[in-house]
Amino acid sequence: SQQGEEDPQALSIQEGENATMNCSYKTSINNLQWYRQNSGRGLVHLILIRSNEREKHSGRLRVTLDTSKKSSSLLITASRAADTASYFCASSGSGNTGKLIFGQGTTLQVKP
Amino acid sequence: DGGITQSPKYLFRKEGQNVTLSCEQNLNHDAMYWYRQDPGQGLRLIYYSQIVNDFQKGDIAEGYSVSREKKESFPLTVTSAQKNPTAFYLCASIGDRLGEETQYFGPGTRLLVL
Repeated sequence: SQQGEEDPQALSIQEGENATMNCSYKTSINNLQWYRQNSGRGLVHLILIRSNEREKHSGRLRVTLDTSKKSSSLLITASRAADTASYFCASSGSGNTGKLIFGQGTTLQVKP
Repeated sequence: DGGITQSPKYLFRKEGQNVTLSCEQNLNHDAMYWYRQDPGQGLRLIYYSQIVNDFQKGDIAEGYSVSREKKESFPLTVTSAQKNPTAFYLCASIGDRLGEETQYFGPGTRLLVL
């Protein structure tokens, strides 16, 4: 399968704690993106990190990228109950098609 | 109100029937994509179109067909050849967000087999 791997598959934490999700991909990339999906809804783009970047921040989100290990991580700090959702990484390869290869997702539950 | 719309929200298919899922965008995006999502899984690419009157197969195109006659519309037909069509179908288009190309998703259509 071309799909990336994500771990953990499921994560349950208390409000205020940090949540870390990891993603591995298989081919060389132009960039790696993280998306969020609330149950039964479409995906919403969170953050994009380019292949020549190692770390990027956006609000409470921090993404790292290690191209030598073909891996990325998403950290959500000071989590809130509203962060409860599934999170997917998606790698964008070479070429100009805009195609993304999605991981299988991490389901995050934040308990109030 | 700009965005991507998909209809219907739920669709029921009978044995041997073709059904068409609608995807419309008013974002003026050139490229559009169809994905299939099975429970607890990530998204798999069915078809994509980078420009009007052109489209390409994705990873799981068998049993599906598309057309791209207008820039704003990219309908997906699930044919009777697709033996396991029950899934959540997501349409997306690609555009610039603060100088970065990202995909914008519709709300999805859930297809169920009767």
